Amino acid sequence: GDSVTQMEGPVTLSEEAFLTINCTYTATGYPSLFWYVQYPGEGLQLLLKATKADDKGSNKGFEATYRKETTSFHLEKGSVQVSDSAVYFCALRWSSASKIIFGSGTRLSIRP
Amino acid sequence: EAQVTQNPRYLITVTGKKLTVTCSQNMNHEYMSWYRQDPGLGLRQIYYSMNVEVTDKGDVPEGYKVSRKEKRNFPLILESPSPNQTSLYFCASSSQGVSPNEKLFFGSGTQLSVL
Repeated sequence: GDSVTQMEGPVTLSEEAFLTINCTYTATGYPSLFWYVQYPGEGLQLLLKATKADDKGSNKGFEATYRKETTSFHLEKGSVQVSDSAVYFCALRWSSASKIIFGSGTRLSIRP
Repeated sequence: EAQVTQNPRYLITVTGKKLTVTCSQNMNHEYMSWYRQDPGLGLRQIYYSMNVEVTDKGDVPEGYKVSRKEKRNFPLILESPSPNQTSLYFCASSSQGVSPNEKLFFGSGTQLSVL
């Protein structure tokens, strides 16, 4: 069946380090792809999205490119901050929109 | 302020005692959904609703019920809770439920413990 696979965490980095969180998906058709972020004690909130192949989503210094050939949507940031410490979820959604599949989440911790 | 409101934030109960977790949104959204979050499993969809009086099962509906009598409310009902339903629950909503591009708005979560 359709699924989303994220790199396992936790990921611990020093401030200003480069970040990559891998996300690959298995799906029939061409879903929209999302990254959501969950800060401690809060619900998820949308970080960025891409709706078709080769689209790049970006927000708050984070970027992810919809790669149809590798079925991937890796999250990157050039220089992380302590405030980026959170759990990050990759997700996909189809045109029927009834079903949304989330990855298992990757916990990111940034050391000052 | 646009928001999804869940209550309660924390709930401890005993096996078999019926409970309801409420969810309300003030954005006139058609689509609403319930998820549970468990370590290593991410978010799994329990039930969703595309509009008033329209509900359908997600991936893990066993042991749960929902209703959608009004557009703004989507309560989650556990008729006879069991310990394996101990989890962190999130309600979410979005507009234009048939579009894949609409983002979800999430509530702050309900931490449920069933003893």
